[in-house]
Amino acid sequence: SQQGEEDPQALSIQEGENATMNCSYKTSINNLQWYRQNSGRGLVHLILIRSNEREKHSGRLRVTLDTSKKSSSLLITASRAADTASYFCATDGSGDKLTFGTGTRLAVRP
Amino acid sequence: KAGVTQTPRYLIKTRGQQVTLSCSPISGHRSVSWYQQTPGQGLQFLFEYFSETQRNKGNSPGRFSGRQFSNSRSEMNVSTLELGDSALYLCASSLELAGGLGETQYFGPGTRLLVL
Repeated sequence: SQQGEEDPQALSIQEGENATMNCSYKTSINNLQWYRQNSGRGLVHLILIRSNEREKHSGRLRVTLDTSKKSSSLLITASRAADTASYFCATDGSGDKLTFGTGTRLAVRP
Repeated sequence: KAGVTQTPRYLIKTRGQQVTLSCSPISGHRSVSWYQQTPGQGLQFLFEYFSETQRNKGNSPGRFSGRQFSNSRSEMNVSTLELGDSALYLCASSLELAGGLGETQYFGPGTRLLVL
Protein backbone atom coordinates (compact mmCIF):
# COMPACT_ATOMS: atom_id res chain seq x y z
CA SER A 1 0.00 0.00 0.00
CA GLN A 2 1.11 3.56 -0.58
CA GLN A 3 2.79 5.26 2.35
CA GLY A 4 1.78 8.69 1.06
CA GLU A 5 -1.54 9.89 -0.17
CA GLU A 6 -1.77 13.17 -2.02
CA ASP A 7 -4.74 15.45 -1.92
CA PRO A 8 -6.37 16.60 -4.11
CA GLN A 9 -6.04 13.98 -6.83
CA ALA A 10 -6.41 16.68 -9.47
CA LEU A 11 -6.17 20.45 -9.44
CA SER A 12 -6.86 22.99 -12.17
CA ILE A 13 -5.84 26.62 -11.73
CA GLN A 14 -5.24 29.74 -13.78
CA GLU A 15 -1.71 30.85 -14.59
CA GLY A 16 -0.46 33.20 -11.90
CA GLU A 17 -2.48 31.58 -9.12
CA ASN A 18 -0.97 29.55 -6.31
CA ALA A 19 -1.31 25.78 -6.16
CA THR A 20 -1.35 23.83 -2.92
CA MET A 21 -1.22 20.08 -2.67
CA ASN A 22 -1.06 17.93 0.42
CA CYS A 23 0.49 14.63 1.34
CA SER A 24 -0.41 12.44 4.28
CA TYR A 25 1.60 9.45 5.42
CA LYS A 26 1.22 6.73 7.98
CA THR A 27 4.49 5.90 9.73
CA SER A 28 7.33 7.92 11.18
CA ILE A 29 9.77 9.28 8.67
CA ASN A 30 13.28 10.67 8.50
CA ASN A 31 12.70 12.68 5.34
CA LEU A 32 9.97 13.59 2.91
CA GLN A 33 10.62 14.47 -0.69
CA TRP A 34 8.52 15.97 -3.46
CA TYR A 35 8.91 14.99 -7.10
CA ARG A 36 7.36 16.24 -10.33
CA GLN A 37 6.49 14.11 -13.34
CA ASN A 38 5.65 15.52 -16.72
CA SER A 39 3.26 13.39 -18.73
CA GLY A 40 4.62 9.89 -19.19
CA ARG A 41 8.17 10.86 -18.30
CA GLY A 42 10.52 10.17 -15.41
CA LEU A 43 10.22 11.93 -12.09
CA VAL A 44 12.29 14.97 -11.21
CA HIS A 45 13.31 15.72 -7.65
CA LEU A 46 12.03 19.08 -6.37
CA ILE A 47 12.78 19.38 -2.70
CA LEU A 48 13.59 17.39 0.43
CA ILE A 49 12.50 18.26 3.94
CA ARG A 50 13.88 16.49 6.99
CA SER A 51 11.75 15.41 9.90
CA ASN A 52 13.25 18.09 12.15
CA GLU A 53 12.37 20.86 9.69
CA ARG A 54 9.01 22.56 9.51
CA GLU A 55 9.31 24.61 6.36
CA LYS A 56 11.59 24.84 3.38
CA HIS A 57 11.73 27.07 0.31
CA SER A 58 13.17 26.61 -3.13
CA GLY A 59 12.40 29.28 -5.69
CA ARG A 60 8.62 29.36 -6.12
CA LEU A 61 8.20 26.20 -4.04
CA ARG A 62 7.37 26.14 -0.37
CA VAL A 63 7.12 22.88 1.53
CA THR A 64 5.84 22.44 5.05
CA LEU A 65 6.00 19.38 7.25
CA ASP A 66 3.89 18.60 10.29
CA THR A 67 5.16 15.37 11.80
CA SER A 68 2.49 15.41 14.52
CA LYS A 69 -0.18 15.23 11.83
CA LYS A 70 1.95 13.13 9.50
CA SER A 71 1.33 15.53 6.67
CA SER A 72 3.17 17.81 4.27
CA SER A 73 2.10 20.45 1.83
CA LEU A 74 3.66 21.75 -1.36
CA LEU A 75 2.86 25.29 -2.41
CA ILE A 76 3.73 26.52 -5.89
CA THR A 77 3.40 30.28 -6.10
CA ALA A 78 2.69 32.30 -9.23
CA SER A 79 2.07 29.16 -11.26
CA ARG A 80 3.03 28.89 -14.91
CA ALA A 81 1.74 26.67 -17.70
CA ALA A 82 5.06 24.80 -17.49
CA ASP A 83 4.15 23.71 -13.95
CA THR A 84 1.49 21.43 -15.44
CA ALA A 85 2.53 17.98 -14.23
CA SER A 86 1.87 15.35 -11.60
CA TYR A 87 3.39 15.89 -8.19
CA PHE A 88 4.34 13.08 -5.85
CA CYS A 89 5.51 12.97 -2.28
CA ALA A 90 7.92 10.24 -1.23
CA THR A 91 8.68 9.09 2.27
CA ASP A 92 11.27 6.79 3.78
CA GLY A 93 9.14 5.36 6.55
CA SER A 94 8.72 1.91 5.06
CA GLY A 95 12.11 0.43 5.77
CA ASP A 96 15.10 1.42 3.71
CA LYS A 97 13.20 2.43 0.61
CA LEU A 98 11.25 5.37 -0.67
CA THR A 99 7.51 5.00 -0.97
CA PHE A 100 5.66 7.28 -3.32
CA GLY A 101 2.19 8.64 -2.92
CA THR A 102 -0.59 8.50 -5.45
CA GLY A 103 0.15 11.92 -6.90
CA THR A 104 -1.70 15.15 -7.60
CA ARG A 105 -2.30 16.07 -11.23
CA LEU A 106 -1.91 19.82 -11.64
CA ALA A 107 -3.17 21.64 -14.72
CA VAL A 108 -2.27 25.31 -15.12
CA ARG A 109 -4.42 27.08 -17.67
CA PRO A 110 -2.73 29.86 -19.65
CA LYS B 1 27.21 14.03 -16.11
CA ALA B 2 24.88 12.03 -18.25
CA GLY B 3 21.53 11.27 -16.68
CA VAL B 4 19.91 7.93 -16.09
CA THR B 5 19.27 6.11 -19.33
CA GLN B 6 16.83 3.32 -19.98
CA THR B 7 16.53 1.04 -22.97
CA PRO B 8 14.44 0.34 -24.82
CA ARG B 9 12.06 3.29 -24.54
CA TYR B 10 9.10 1.44 -25.97
CA LEU B 11 8.35 -2.24 -26.20
CA ILE B 12 5.45 -4.35 -27.40
CA LYS B 13 5.24 -7.96 -26.31
CA THR B 14 2.59 -10.67 -26.26
CA ARG B 15 1.30 -12.60 -23.30
CA GLY B 16 3.59 -15.38 -22.17
CA GLN B 17 6.75 -13.80 -23.52
CA GLN B 18 9.53 -12.50 -21.35
CA VAL B 19 11.20 -9.10 -21.42
CA THR B 20 14.46 -7.57 -20.20
CA LEU B 21 14.76 -3.88 -19.51
CA SER B 22 18.04 -2.09 -18.99
CA CYS B 23 19.01 0.88 -16.85
CA SER B 24 22.30 2.75 -16.75
CA PRO B 25 22.63 4.92 -13.64
CA ILE B 26 24.40 8.22 -13.30
CA SER B 27 28.14 7.68 -13.11
CA GLY B 28 29.19 7.08 -9.52
CA HIS B 29 25.74 6.10 -8.30
CA ARG B 30 25.67 2.72 -6.64
CA SER B 31 21.94 2.26 -6.07
CA VAL B 32 19.37 1.47 -8.73
CA SER B 33 15.67 1.18 -7.94
CA TRP B 34 12.91 -0.03 -10.21
CA TYR B 35 9.30 1.11 -10.20
CA GLN B 36 6.19 0.14 -12.09
CA GLN B 37 3.75 2.90 -12.88
CA THR B 38 0.19 2.27 -14.03
CA PRO B 39 -2.82 4.59 -14.01
CA GLY B 40 -4.69 2.40 -11.55
CA GLN B 41 -1.90 1.47 -9.12
CA GLY B 42 0.28 4.54 -9.19
CA LEU B 43 4.01 4.20 -8.63
CA GLN B 44 4.84 0.79 -7.22
CA PHE B 45 8.29 -0.02 -5.89
CA LEU B 46 9.68 -3.23 -7.35
CA PHE B 47 13.21 -3.60 -5.98
CA GLU B 48 16.45 -1.84 -5.26
CA TYR B 49 19.96 -2.97 -6.00
CA PHE B 50 23.07 -1.67 -4.33
CA SER B 51 26.58 -2.90 -5.01
CA GLU B 52 25.24 -5.83 -7.04
CA THR B 53 22.97 -7.03 -4.22
CA GLN B 54 19.22 -6.76 -3.96
CA ARG B 55 18.66 -4.68 -0.84
CA ASN B 56 14.94 -4.09 -0.90
CA LYS B 57 12.00 -5.72 -2.60
CA GLY B 58 8.42 -4.64 -3.02
CA ASN B 59 5.39 -6.86 -3.39
CA SER B 60 5.88 -7.76 -7.02
CA PRO B 61 5.27 -11.38 -8.06
CA GLY B 62 8.14 -13.78 -8.56
CA ARG B 63 7.96 -13.25 -12.32
CA PHE B 64 9.76 -9.95 -11.73
CA SER B 65 13.48 -10.20 -11.14
CA GLY B 66 16.52 -8.07 -11.55
CA ARG B 67 20.24 -7.87 -11.23
CA GLN B 68 22.99 -5.33 -11.03
CA PHE B 69 26.40 -5.53 -12.62
CA SER B 70 29.73 -4.40 -11.27
CA ASN B 71 29.46 -1.13 -13.21
CA SER B 72 26.12 -0.48 -11.44
CA ARG B 73 24.08 -0.99 -14.59
CA SER B 74 20.92 -2.90 -13.84
CA GLU B 75 18.53 -5.10 -15.72
CA MET B 76 15.00 -6.06 -14.88
CA ASN B 77 13.38 -9.18 -16.25
CA VAL B 78 9.73 -10.08 -16.39
CA SER B 79 8.88 -13.63 -17.36
CA THR B 80 5.56 -15.01 -18.59
CA LEU B 81 4.13 -11.59 -19.34
CA GLU B 82 0.53 -10.86 -18.46
CA LEU B 83 -1.74 -8.12 -19.81
CA GLY B 84 -1.57 -6.39 -16.44
CA ASP B 85 2.18 -5.94 -16.82
CA SER B 86 1.55 -3.17 -19.32
CA ALA B 87 3.03 -0.13 -17.63
CA LEU B 88 5.72 2.49 -17.58
CA TYR B 89 8.81 1.01 -15.91
CA LEU B 90 11.01 3.59 -14.28
CA CYS B 91 14.45 3.15 -12.88
CA ALA B 92 16.10 5.59 -10.55
CA SER B 93 19.64 5.88 -9.31
CA SER B 94 21.11 7.41 -6.20
CA LEU B 95 24.54 7.64 -4.65
CA GLU B 96 23.59 5.48 -1.69
CA LEU B 97 20.56 3.45 -0.66
CA ALA B 98 17.40 5.35 -1.46
CA GLY B 99 15.66 5.34 1.89
CA GLY B 100 16.59 6.62 5.32
CA LEU B 101 19.42 8.96 4.43
CA GLY B 102 17.45 11.44 2.38
CA GLU B 103 19.02 10.35 -0.85
CA THR B 104 17.69 12.06 -3.93
CA GLN B 105 16.66 9.64 -6.64
CA TYR B 106 17.34 10.53 -10.26
CA PHE B 107 14.90 8.96 -12.64
CA GLY B 108 15.30 7.78 -16.18
CA PRO B 109 12.68 8.50 -18.85
CA GLY B 110 11.15 5.05 -18.45
CA THR B 111 10.39 2.10 -20.68
CA ARG B 112 6.79 1.88 -21.80
CA LEU B 113 5.80 -1.77 -22.08
CA LEU B 114 2.64 -2.85 -23.81
CA VAL B 115 1.56 -6.46 -23.49
CA LEU B 116 -0.94 -7.69 -26.05
